[in-house]
Amino acid sequence: EAGVTQSPTHLIKTRGQQATLRCSPISGHTSVYWYQQALGLGLQFLLWYDEGEERNRGNFPPRFSGRQFPNYSSELNVNALELEDSALYLCASSLSWVQGWGNQPQHFGDGTRLSIL
Amino acid sequence: DQQVKQNSPSLSVQEGRISILNCDYTNSMFDYFLWYKKYPAEGPTFLISISSIKDKNEDGRFTVFLNKSAKHLSLHIVPSQPGDSAVYFCAAKGGSQGNLIFGKGTKLSVKP
Repeated sequence: EAGVTQSPTHLIKTRGQQATLRCSPISGHTSVYWYQQALGLGLQFLLWYDEGEERNRGNFPPRFSGRQFPNYSSELNVNALELEDSALYLCASSLSWVQGWGNQPQHFGDGTRLSIL
Repeated sequence: DQQVKQNSPSLSVQEGRISILNCDYTNSMFDYFLWYKKYPAEGPTFLISISSIKDKNEDGRFTVFLNKSAKHLSLHIVPSQPGDSAVYFCAAKGGSQGNLIFGKGTKLSVKP
C-alpha cells in the first residue's frame, strides 16, 4: 500500500513569490493535514481538510491557504513568501474523523523542503 | 503556551537496556496521545497511541503509559536497539480538533 506522497521534495523560491506544495493521501483516507516544521520549532499545525472542506486552521496568516480535491489529494499554497517560511512542510492523512472514525493515527509523508532566498 | 512538553532534548541508552521517553501536557481536554519516530530526511513514523480511557498500551517492544492525574505519558522501549536511534515526538489531540499538538522531540541515541 502506497504511503502519503508529497511533491516536490525540494522547492527554492525568493521572497515575495508564491509556492504550491502537493500531497496525495493513503488510499481510503479522506482527512489531510498540513504541518510546518521550522528549525527549532517542532511541528506546527497549519490546516486540516476532511471530505473536501477546511475543518480547522492553525495560527498562521491568511497567506497560507490550501484546498482538497474530489480525489482527496491536497494543495498547500503560500503567497508572498517570507524568509521565515523556510521550513519542512509535512502532509499527513488519516481515516475520516467526520465520518465517525474517531481517533485514528495520522500517517505522514516525507515532506517538502521549502527554502526562501 | 506549549501544551505538550518533552523536557529532555536528548537521551543516550546502551543497547539492550530500557529507553524511557517522557512527555507532559497541560490541556485536560486531550483524549488521544501518540508517539512518532523520525529519522533525518524522512517524515514522522507512527509508533503507538493511547486513548485517555486507558493507562497502558503495548505493541511489541513499545509500551506507552498514561497518567492522567499527573498529565504525563511515557514511552518505554525494551530492549533498545541501535536502529531505534531517532528523534521521538509525543503528540496529543483533543475533542473535535482533528489536528495534533506536538512536543519538540527527544533525540534518542542507542549505543552498541
